[in-house]
Amino acid sequence: EAQVTQNPRYLITVTGKKLTVTCSQNMNHEYMSWYRQDPGLGLRQIYYSMNVEVTDKGDVPEGYKVSRKEKRNFPLILESPSPNQTSLYFCASKEQGARTEAFFGQGTRLTVV
Amino acid sequence: SQQGEEDPQALSIQEGENATMNCSYKTSINNLQWYRQNSGRGLVHLILIRSNEREKHSGRLRVTLDTSKKSSSLLITASRAADTASYFCATDETGANNLFFGTGTRLTVIP
Repeated sequence: EAQVTQNPRYLITVTGKKLTVTCSQNMNHEYMSWYRQDPGLGLRQIYYSMNVEVTDKGDVPEGYKVSRKEKRNFPLILESPSPNQTSLYFCASKEQGARTEAFFGQGTRLTVV
Repeated sequence: SQQGEEDPQALSIQEGENATMNCSYKTSINNLQWYRQNSGRGLVHLILIRSNEREKHSGRLRVTLDTSKKSSSLLITASRAADTASYFCATDETGANNLFFGTGTRLTVIP
């Protein structure tokens, strides 16, 4: 089954404790992206990747890091989480090209206290 | 920000009525897509309309695109309680090869 898998689904952590949210897709997609969703703000892009070893900042990259060492994986790293990073996070992937739909993971609800 | 905007932010209708949501964006696009999100879940793709298309249908969904006004609308006909969800437009911008999402419309269909 074609899918994007995020882990964990829920996470509560303390300020400053490094964490990683994993994202994996099994569709051999070149493009992957991370979004955060906050009430009233829709989905805002954090980082995206066009292919292995190619990553770019989105609209809200501050406080986040990503890596794309393999095509299927695109982890989101918070080196020193802060309470303003409490949010619902989504990973998405799609084929490269102009007429393709994105597939989303089920989301990770992160709370930083 | 390249994020688009949708209106209304929230819409409440009776079952059987039609629901219309609008999306405005800022730059030239390859295509515009609509997604649905059930509460707190991942987004699911509904329909894609290319920049050279003006209207597209899929079941009870009708999408229009006006590139001169940089706007799109999603019409859901004969709504059902199961259509209750948030709906987002996303633009695939020319040259960027990246997807930018709008702020979403929260639709509630009352049985």
